[in-house]
Amino acid sequence: DTGVSQDPRHKITKRGQNVTFRCDPISEHNRLYWYRQTLGQGPEFLTYFQNEAQLEKSRLLSDRFSAERPKGSFSTLEIQRTEQGDSAMYLCASRDGTGSYNEQFFGPGTRLTVL
Amino acid sequence: QQQVKQSPQSLIVQKGGISIINCAYENTAFDYFPWYQQFPGKGPALLIAIRPDVSEKKEGRFTISFNKSAKQFSLHIMDSQPGDSATYFCAARGSWGKFQFGAGTQVVVTP
Repeated sequence: DTGVSQDPRHKITKRGQNVTFRCDPISEHNRLYWYRQTLGQGPEFLTYFQNEAQLEKSRLLSDRFSAERPKGSFSTLEIQRTEQGDSAMYLCASRDGTGSYNEQFFGPGTRLTVL
Repeated sequence: QQQVKQSPQSLIVQKGGISIINCAYENTAFDYFPWYQQFPGKGPALLIAIRPDVSEKKEGRFTISFNKSAKQFSLHIMDSQPGDSATYFCAARGSWGKFQFGAGTQVVVTP
């Protein structure tokens, strides 16, 4: 399968714990996006990487959130001191930036439940 | 602040009928308008998309109509099938290629 993959698919944690999610984009896609989707809502943009550089962060991304994309390949999203309000689906998407209208492909998401 | 407004929230249509979903946006800097289909437990998948210099695009049973002056666009699903039952999101692309999504429309196609 050559699509965007995310791991884990589901994560249940207790409030106050740290969690880390991984995203493996489609090979050679230089642009990577993280979104958050709560129940009954559309995805909301969190952050964007072009290669290894994090070029934009949403105001939704508090200082408890950090994202990295070492070497411009896979990316990780870490949430420290989780809160119940962090419960959501975290989606990763990637795109080949060589064409202006190339499709943005989404992964299956990681569903986070904070108890 | 919701930059893309989508309606209706939900829609029930009979098999063979037409589903119509509408979206409106404010930011004239948006440069690309896709529609995504999402099934429960899955990530969104691109259905069809349009550039702002085109007024209509058709792919199979799916058509986007785009009105740049009104800052509105819509998705028409012709000959709706039970397999079309899903949540549909409109989106608009802004800086760095990030999408602003609508809140979604849950479509149910009855046999």
